[in-house]
Amino acid sequence: NAGVTQTPKFQVLKTGQSMTLQCAQDMNHNSMYWYRQDPGMGLRLIYYSASEGTTDKGEVPNGYNVSRLNKREFSLRLESAAPSQTSVYFCASSIDPGSYNSPLHFGNGTRLTVT
Amino acid sequence: AQSVAQPEDQVNVAEGNPLTVKCTYSVSGNPYLFWYVQYPNRGLQFLLKYITGDNLVKGSYGFEAEFNKSQTSFHLKKPSALVSDSALYFCAVRENTGGFKTIFGAGTRLFVKA
Repeated sequence: NAGVTQTPKFQVLKTGQSMTLQCAQDMNHNSMYWYRQDPGMGLRLIYYSASEGTTDKGEVPNGYNVSRLNKREFSLRLESAAPSQTSVYFCASSIDPGSYNSPLHFGNGTRLTVT
Repeated sequence: AQSVAQPEDQVNVAEGNPLTVKCTYSVSGNPYLFWYVQYPNRGLQFLLKYITGDNLVKGSYGFEAEFNKSQTSFHLKKPSALVSDSALYFCAVRENTGGFKTIFGAGTRLFVKA
């Protein structure tokens, strides 16, 4: 059981470069999420997809775009990277958007540095 | 707006002693509360959750959490700490107003000393 798989694990970008973070889950979950983790700030939601074909903004969407490619895959794109986007990015999934008690399942993260 | 607070950045405890990691929350309506643990260079792992019913919730690895509605708290506990419990712990609340967001606290780092 792979669970939630994120690629790449590490990335260094220069300011202004673009990149796409990939995420795939094999648990047949309906909902997928992108979070960023910064020291002392916990996890902040960037974008989420409640179900295939839908995406919505979270707390900190500026500078990011997402694509729910199919039920399994949810990608996060940085069009023009900025040093403020240096962070650890986590993808997560949950089984059912209507089930408030369903936990999130996380990937192992992508550590991004923007210089 | 829903929110979660973890008042301690770090908790230190000796191996074999009981541990408590504190969490308070603010929600409208019924709370859906969770604890997650993060080990170095890994994603968060689900430990336990509170829905409704028993105020003492049991979870993975011997952890439990006590829900207190009057104090709006959901403290994580373990009767006897292990060195391997050293990690970063996050309390979280699931939005229950028609959205799908989970709001996380800032995290508490637990150090268990041998």
